Amino acid sequence: DIQMTQSPSSLSASVGDRVTITCRASQTIGRHLSWYQQKPGKAPKLLIYAASSLQSGVPSRFSGSGSGTDFTLTISSLQPEDSATYYCQQTYSSPMCSFGQGTKLEIK
Amino acid sequence: EVQLLESGGGLVQPAGSLRLSCAASGFSFTSYALTWVRQAPGKGLECVSSLGGNGVTTYYADSVKGRFTISRDDSKNTLYLQMNSLRLEDTAVYYCAKVGTTGVWDWGQGTLVTVSS
Repeated sequence: DIQMTQSPSSLSASVGDRVTITCRASQTIGRHLSWYQQKPGKAPKLLIYAASSLQSGVPSRFSGSGSGTDFTLTISSLQPEDSATYYCQQTYSSPMCSFGQGTKLEIK
Repeated sequence: EVQLLESGGGLVQPAGSLRLSCAASGFSFTSYALTWVRQAPGKGLECVSSLGGNGVTTYYADSVKGRFTISRDDSKNTLYLQMNSLRLEDTAVYYCAKVGTTGVWDWGQGTLVTVSS
């Protein structure tokens, strides 16, 4: 099974900050990596797919990069509505998958 | 527009059974794999079971293998998850998701399963 490790598990940042979350796969997964944002009581919302493709309707301050085993989600200028938990997901083993443990982002 | 509507959740006792349904619309139901993903209260996401687009190939996480069965009814555009021998640790919100070929997954809003005596 492919294990996904996210870091950090939580972080606190101010509006306007640049924020980076990393995700590492236990084996190479090419670019089969997605990023989700989840707010309490809601289903996960797709932000990035195929490592760096921005899902339609998602603000351009979100970006993704990486390939192989190491991936990054960047929020270029943090907004108050970005407070949420973020998950990476490998779809290399699609239709099954695995997720990182999540990163809880708090706005100071 | 892709729509996925889960139902069938509720309160069940340990060792009991429950069947979840996911009614799909807005896409060719038999052309895509579908996956059940769950999230225990305050925890992360776990892929639980998938059904290939052919409607035959099935996949299960080790945590549910032998207890859960995934299936679909093409005449009703509905995906099912039959859950037997339920345990306390199966308590979670269960989401169904359409597996996109480009990596774009569409999700339903989820249904809550609570296993408790």
